[in-house]
Amino acid sequence: QVQLVESGRGVVQPGRSLRLSCAASGFTFSSYGMHWVRQAPGTGLEWVAAISSDGSKKYFGDSVMGRFTISRDNSKHTLFLEMNSLRAEDTALYYCTRDWSAYDLSGIFDYWGQGTLVTVSS
Amino acid sequence: EIVLTQSPGTLSLSPGERATLSCRASQSVSSSYLAWYQQKPGQAPRLLIYGASSRATGIPDRFSGSGSGTDFTLTISRLEPEDFAVYYCQQYGSSPPYSFGQGTKLEIK
Repeated sequence: QVQLVESGRGVVQPGRSLRLSCAASGFTFSSYGMHWVRQAPGTGLEWVAAISSDGSKKYFGDSVMGRFTISRDNSKHTLFLEMNSLRAEDTALYYCTRDWSAYDLSGIFDYWGQGTLVTVSS
Repeated sequence: EIVLTQSPGTLSLSPGERATLSCRASQSVSSSYLAWYQQKPGQAPRLLIYGASSRATGIPDRFSGSGSGTDFTLTISRLEPEDFAVYYCQQYGSSPPYSFGQGTKLEIK
């Protein structure tokens, strides 16, 4: 069965960096686009970033553009989110999600991890 | 970016009743690229509907989606106890960025 397990949670000071990882199993990781979606405490969902199956295409939400980087290692079935210049408003539960469509980015999120909590505070 | 507005914010109903949730877009959603997700407390969201009306794998047929253009609806024909949760609509267009509505909380009356 499809499993997505995020790691890298932590408390960091504003302006610092943090790297999240997502270990995937139960499907052919290299065939699917992947996304990060976040949820600030008690609020709704916000799409953060996407990467195509081969890593050649990357997209970011306006709120993280220029600060966050998404990448993947298909040989290790792992997705990453590198977060720089962190702000208090980046505090959220970060979900790793699989794109519904093989080989293309559809923007439909069919499988979700349980999330990893990032807290930005001094 | 397309802004999605969901209504009502909270819907109070009893098991067995019919639930109708609305999602309105600030501009037309191309090719009905609209999805619905369910989120229960402490859990990740779950995909229910994509393409405005197609049920995802394993989703019971009491869940149905409809609409096009700027107005979309999620209907739950007969509420089961496990259906009380928060529901989000999401547009996915032909390319990013993707956006979610603010959610509708479906609570037991």
